[in-house]
Amino acid sequence: DTGVSQDPRHKITKRGQNVTFRCDPISEHNRLYWYRQTLGQGPEFLTYFQNEAQLEKSRLLSDRFSAERPKGSFSTLEIQRTEQGDSAMYLCASSDTGHNYGYTFGSGTRLTVV
Amino acid sequence: AQKVTQAQTEISVVEKEDVTLDCVYETRDTTYYLFWYKQPPSGELVFLIRRNSFDEQNEISGRYSWNFQKSTSSFNFTITASQVVDSAVYFCALSSVYSGTYKYIFGTGTRLKVLA
Repeated sequence: DTGVSQDPRHKITKRGQNVTFRCDPISEHNRLYWYRQTLGQGPEFLTYFQNEAQLEKSRLLSDRFSAERPKGSFSTLEIQRTEQGDSAMYLCASSDTGHNYGYTFGSGTRLTVV
Repeated sequence: AQKVTQAQTEISVVEKEDVTLDCVYETRDTTYYLFWYKQPPSGELVFLIRRNSFDEQNEISGRYSWNFQKSTSSFNFTITASQVVDSAVYFCALSSVYSGTYKYIFGTGTRLKVLA
């Protein structure tokens, strides 16, 4: 088990373009989370999956954002029509069901919108 | 509403000094969890400790120790004999058990610089 993997590590895109990020959680973890972290701030919750079901979405997740977790394995986060305000680190984390022992985070995808 | 406050934005110490990072939280829940994470320059958040609201015992792990006081809603983190490798941003986080989501509310972090 290599932990939580995120791809790509860095993404530079022009305003208005669509981008998609991928997260591969620890294989036995049922819970998967996406967070967004802007410079000088702590991570902010975006959305949560238990298996393939998306059970909670933050109001930070506008209509331009969509997340999926097909078959309860990897997850994707897509941002459509990117804006400069979307520039941030997007962090994925996973954990066991029924426990709150702490997440395992990935290294994140740093998005820069120019 | 839940909130985590890390009032210290940045702390600089000289190697081998002790340093305490403060964390104050707000919640109406009676059952909750508190966490500390370390974020080195590589960006990955590294889990350090979890504490539930019913366990106020202080904990020590090597050079790290944590002081949880419900009376003051604080969960402070002390590094003894700091080392250059301790340089990172440290986050305190709060998680409620009632939502079932176990999502975290993070503080804004404290950047620790340990100088050789």
